[in-house]
Amino acid sequence: AQSVTQPDIHITVSEGASLELRCNYSYGATPYLFWYVQSPGQGLQLLLKYFSGDTLVQGIKGFEAEFKRSQSSFNLRKPSVHWSDAAEYFCAVGEDSNYQLIWGAGTKLIIKP
Amino acid sequence: NAGVTQTPKFQVLKTGQSMTLQCAQDMNHNSMYWYRQDPGMGLRLIYYSASEGTTDKGEVPNGYNVSRLNKREFSLRLESAAPSQTSVYFCASRPLDGRPATDTQYFGPGTRLTVL
Repeated sequence: AQSVTQPDIHITVSEGASLELRCNYSYGATPYLFWYVQSPGQGLQLLLKYFSGDTLVQGIKGFEAEFKRSQSSFNLRKPSVHWSDAAEYFCAVGEDSNYQLIWGAGTKLIIKP
Repeated sequence: NAGVTQTPKFQVLKTGQSMTLQCAQDMNHNSMYWYRQDPGMGLRLIYYSASEGTTDKGEVPNGYNVSRLNKREFSLRLESAAPSQTSVYFCASRPLDGRPATDTQYFGPGTRLTVL
């Protein structure tokens, strides 16, 4: 069955430190991969997506993610986090012919001053 | 453009009451979705509508019904609310127009529902 795993429920990093959030997927076809961010009390906003081409994808707010087919991973990175990055981050996978996205359970990012 | 709008923002129901959550999008998207979000469980798909005139069950459809009223609007109905339906409900839309570069889901701000 298709699935998305975000192994870290919570991650705490200091402001200015680097960040990596992990996402692993199980999917038969070549997937579309997404990262969304949800600030407290808000809806979800797309950070970035991969659908083809360069496996290193740049997104909004200084985030990037790398698709590694051999590892079935799509990890999200940021070189230096800001207090405003505190939020919950969701990884999702889908394909054009399948109307549904499969969602990870989310990783809550906490920023230490 | 307003994007995806949802009403109401908050609602408290008693067990057994019914209500309809409204969703509308002004982006001319083909597909629309209803999700529920519960702590530690991410997003779970309730129903979706791939295109106007069609609806399909998602992962957790029991206790819900939907109507795709037209291309813009997709409503979610709880016929007899139960405490297990206490959750945050999100509506989303997606172009699904065959252009991967713009294919993603756009979310509304959510409805926080409490069933007592």
